[in-house]
Amino acid sequence: AQSVTQPDIHITVSEGASLELRCNYSYGATPYLFWYVQSPGQGLQLLLKYFSGDTLVQGIKGFEAEFKRSQSSFNLRKPSVHWSDAAEYFCAVVSWDTGGFKTIFGAGTRLFVKA
Amino acid sequence: GAGVSQSPSNKVTEKGKDVELRCDPISGHTALYWYRQSLGQGLEFLIYFQGNSAPDKSGLPSDRFSAERTGGSVSTLTIQRTQQEDSAVYLCASSLAVEGEAFFGQGTRLTVV
Repeated sequence: AQSVTQPDIHITVSEGASLELRCNYSYGATPYLFWYVQSPGQGLQLLLKYFSGDTLVQGIKGFEAEFKRSQSSFNLRKPSVHWSDAAEYFCAVVSWDTGGFKTIFGAGTRLFVKA
Repeated sequence: GAGVSQSPSNKVTEKGKDVELRCDPISGHTALYWYRQSLGQGLEFLIYFQGNSAPDKSGLPSDRFSAERTGGSVSTLTIQRTQQEDSAVYLCASSLAVEGEAFFGQGTRLTVV
C-alpha cells in the first residue's frame, strides 16, 4: 500500500539557520509529490510540487525540495528560516487507486523557530 | 466556486446528537477528500470520493461516520450520536483527477460538549 512517512514530529531551528524536513514515500511507480504548509489558524497551502523533469523544484516562500528516486525521498529545504515559517508542514503523494488518483498525506512535521 | 467551501465553519453540539458537515468543492474537481485534524495532530484520512463513488472508506473511525456525494459535487459528512472524541477540525479538499494538487477548505471546527 502507498504510504508517506515524515520521521520528525517536530523540529526546532534558530531564525536564520537552514532547514531540512524529511519525507519518504512508498509507491511502485513515479509519484506526484507535494509539500503543503499549515500556518497557525490558517488553511493548508501548497508550497511546491513535483510531477516530472528536474528533480529539484522551487516553491513559494523560498522553499525547495529534491526528489531522490533511489532513496524514495522528497525532502523540503530552506537556506534561511524566518520566524514566520513556524507552522506545520505536510508531505503528500498522489497515487493511482481504484477509480482514480488519491492523495495521501504524511502525519506532518511541526516547525518551531527560535530567536 | 473559486475555492473549496465548507459549512458551518464552527459547530457546537451536545453529545449524542447527529451532525452534518457540508463541503462544496471547486467546480470540475472530480476527487474529494475528507480529513480530520485533532488539536495538535496531523491529518487523519477519513474518506475519498472519485465522482459520486467512494473507493476508499478505510479511514472512517466507526459506523457512526458516513459520507455521501451527489451530482459529483457537494459532499456531506454525517456523524451520528456524536461523542466528545469526535471534537476536531474536519477538512475537505478537492482535486482534479489527474493533476492531484489538493485544494483545501477552511474546515469545520466541531466541538462536542
